[in-house]
Amino acid sequence: DAMVIQNPRYQVTQFGKPVTLSCSQTLNHNVMYWYQQKSSQAPKLLFHYYDKDFNNEADTPDNFQSRRPNTSFCFLDIRSPGLGDAAMYLCATSTPGGIDDTQYFGPGTRLTVL
Amino acid sequence: AQTVTQSQPEMSVQEAETVTLSCTYDTSESDYYLFWYKQPPSRQMILVIRQEAYKQQNATENRFSVNFQKAAKSFSLKISDSQLGDAAMYFCAYRSVSGGADGLTFGKGTHLIIQP
Repeated sequence: DAMVIQNPRYQVTQFGKPVTLSCSQTLNHNVMYWYQQKSSQAPKLLFHYYDKDFNNEADTPDNFQSRRPNTSFCFLDIRSPGLGDAAMYLCATSTPGGIDDTQYFGPGTRLTVL
Repeated sequence: AQTVTQSQPEMSVQEAETVTLSCTYDTSESDYYLFWYKQPPSRQMILVIRQEAYKQQNATENRFSVNFQKAAKSFSLKISDSQLGDAAMYFCAYRSVSGGADGLTFGKGTHLIIQP
């Protein structure tokens, strides 16, 4: 089945130690999104890639960066995680303007910062 | 900027009964999409139903239907014949059509409890 895959599902890191989260898709969608969801809160968009074009949200901290080496993969890099970065990180994909113009989500990576 | 409001942090319903989750939104745009997503505990977020603003007919997916009131900027979700598997966090979300690849704007969610 076509899907959005996130690895790892659970990630523990130390304060200030860089961490990378991975997302891959078999849907062949143009757009890949990263959302941050803190406990009992709504997901908040960090940034997205439309093909190779990177689009950052205005209030996303510089500590968060992303890479998309090809259509299938997208990475979220947190350069120096703080305690406040502990959250669920959701990857989503879509093809805007397509027949099915809907965002599909992966299962998320739960990040713990010690 | 668009905002989405879900005024019910938690709802409880008996199994097999009907429940309605509320959502209101604020936008100055005329064309947009509205969504209801379901997020079960420790599981991924899945699309329940989607409504396009230019369509007057309310969307329906099996036991799930919406009441879309464009003038009132209201988009409620009705779940009929509630089942234990419906227990989850439900998020209402908005996206403009002109935004193309824009991300979704979510409400804070409603935690739905199904009483056996």
